[in-house]
Amino acid sequence: AQSVTQLGSHVSVSEGALVLLRCNYSSSVPPYLFWYVQYPNQGLQLLLKYTSAATLVKGINGFEAEFKKSETSFHLTKPSAHMSDAAEYFCAVSDQGSARQLTFGSGTQLTVLP
Amino acid sequence: DTEVTQTPKHLVMGMTNKKSLKCEQHMGHRAMYWYKQKAKKPPELMFVYSYEKLSINESVPSRFSPECPNSSLLNLHLHALQPEDSALYLCASSHWTSGGNNEQFFGPGTRLTVL
Repeated sequence: AQSVTQLGSHVSVSEGALVLLRCNYSSSVPPYLFWYVQYPNQGLQLLLKYTSAATLVKGINGFEAEFKKSETSFHLTKPSAHMSDAAEYFCAVSDQGSARQLTFGSGTQLTVLP
Repeated sequence: DTEVTQTPKHLVMGMTNKKSLKCEQHMGHRAMYWYKQKAKKPPELMFVYSYEKLSINESVPSRFSPECPNSSLLNLHLHALQPEDSALYLCASSHWTSGGNNEQFFGPGTRLTVL
């Protein structure tokens, strides 16, 4: 069974500062990993995904994440936060088996301070 | 078209009402999903349809009844709901291929309030 742990349910950064949202996974097989963003009263939008092609994954809106097998991590970063980045962020894992299900982390609420 | 649409956006219903949520996609996806999301929580999987057949039911109460009339449509029929069923209901779709690279596309959700 796979799982993800998001460290920090709330993260606050100043506008222009580095954004770092942490995600650690547990999986008995090489995982597929995803970061989704959810703005208030909206659905989830895919930011980026890791599918074993490259360990550094670039996504939309200037976000990127690095897959580190030795640390079982897939942290999300953005060099310079913008006010519009304020949202809930979910890390998710999917195994390579027949389940085809996403297992979500508990989420991290990002606040961007002016 | 890379969009999943959901109607209605908002729904208020009494505990004795019968209502339905609708989800539609035209991306050729053969898997469709219903999730329930409470405030400040991640989505919880309710049902999965693959090739119009129910493949996963996560022990959801029978007052929720899913239906997949064709490969583009997914309905969720609601009857005799409880106030604790109030939540954001999200629909998603994806390809149904072997392996885990089945990126799910989410709709905007239906905000359900049960009085």
